[in-house]
Amino acid sequence: DGGITQSPKYLFRKEGQNVTLSCEQNLNHDAMYWYRQDPGQGLRLIYYSQIVNDFQKGDIAEGYSVSREKKESFPLTVTSAQKNPTAFYLCASRGPGGWQNSPLHFGNGTRLTVT
Amino acid sequence: AQSVTQLDSQVPVFEEAPVELRCNYSSSVSVYLFWYVQYPNQGLQLLLKYLSGSTLVKGINGFEAEFNKSQTSFHLRKPSVHISDTAEYFCAVKDSGYSTLTFGKGTMLLVSP
Repeated sequence: DGGITQSPKYLFRKEGQNVTLSCEQNLNHDAMYWYRQDPGQGLRLIYYSQIVNDFQKGDIAEGYSVSREKKESFPLTVTSAQKNPTAFYLCASRGPGGWQNSPLHFGNGTRLTVT
Repeated sequence: AQSVTQLDSQVPVFEEAPVELRCNYSSSVSVYLFWYVQYPNQGLQLLLKYLSGSTLVKGINGFEAEFNKSQTSFHLRKPSVHISDTAEYFCAVKDSGYSTLTFGKGTMLLVSP
């Protein structure tokens, strides 16, 4: 079955360390997205990529970095510059065509805890 | 900027009662509207979407939503809820001038026996 795999499900890090969250999809989707979810805040867009080797900042990109070297992979690095990294991180992808034909598909998320 | 307001952070309801989750969006000439559901520690799943045409949209699990352009609303309804409907529900909007979705802050639906 096609889908989006985020790993690991839970991740623990010490403050000051960079950490990379994995997102892999086998849906052959061009566009991929990273969202951050905090209680009562909804989903906020961190970065998105509409094509390989290209990506754009979302609303809260500071302290994060991404790469898009392969169509199926869009890893997110949470750097030590991110002041409040503890959150639930969701990866999503979208197929070709307009939004009327291709809504967002989500992975099951990674819960990052930084102490 | 496109924006979405979900007026209720939590909605408690008894099983088999009807429910309405409210969503208002920022006005634009052309918008796409979506409702997503999230079960604990999972990703989001699409419930339904409004693109154009009929203002009453039916989705999965017996949910429906009505697009009201004059009130810039897209409220989600279900005539009779089940315990299994307990989840967080997100409204999202895509304005014609934007390339990404903007989500509301979510409404937690709590169904009790």
